Amino acid sequence: SQQGEEDPQALSIQEGENATMNCSYKTSINNLQWYRQNSGRGLVHLILIRSNEREKHSGRLRVTLDTSKKSSSLLITASRAADTASYFCAPYNYGQNFVFGPGTRLSVLP
Amino acid sequence: NAGVTQTPKFRVLKTGQSMTLLCAQDMNHEYMYWYRQDPGMGLRLIHYSVGEGTTAKGEVPDGYNVSRLKKQNFLLGLESAAPSQTSVYFCASSYYLAGEQYFGPGTRLTVT
Repeated sequence: SQQGEEDPQALSIQEGENATMNCSYKTSINNLQWYRQNSGRGLVHLILIRSNEREKHSGRLRVTLDTSKKSSSLLITASRAADTASYFCAPYNYGQNFVFGPGTRLSVLP
Repeated sequence: NAGVTQTPKFRVLKTGQSMTLLCAQDMNHEYMYWYRQDPGMGLRLIHYSVGEGTTAKGEVPDGYNVSRLKKQNFLLGLESAAPSQTSVYFCASSYYLAGEQYFGPGTRLTVT
């Protein structure tokens, strides 16, 4: 199993700014998923990007994947206070277990 | 459509006691998972199931047992609770193994 390592560990921005967080992993993957966790709640799936995709969008979210660098990034545009949460990446390879890293704690200040 | 539900939401156990956490999903998913999350850490997979009647070990299975007698239910058991099992436990389900996982709200367990 491999764990994604999110970076930075914590990020504070003002409302309206963009937030970028990164994920690195070690071995080849079939897909990579991003999840959000609000304080005290379960994880919510945001985006799944396959290994043959380079970019994916969902509303204000943009995910990129660079398999040559074994990294992914999640961009949240025009952040809102409601985006305050922890964000986790989960790189997945068939036959392995999902492993979630420690996440990036995002604080969006009003 | 409730999604994934977990029972109970909170529980306090004394060392050596046993308990069962129940997870239920109404999405007809084949795959179900139990994770634990400790402060400041990501989720670690305890056990998972690829279908009714089947279970498999995850990253941290010691001290836990599971059963999947019905497709919609996945039970996590602690036979003899230890303080190291104090954690928040999340259940999840997915349609296929590599796919999007749907999470329950969690069970906060404290072992004293």
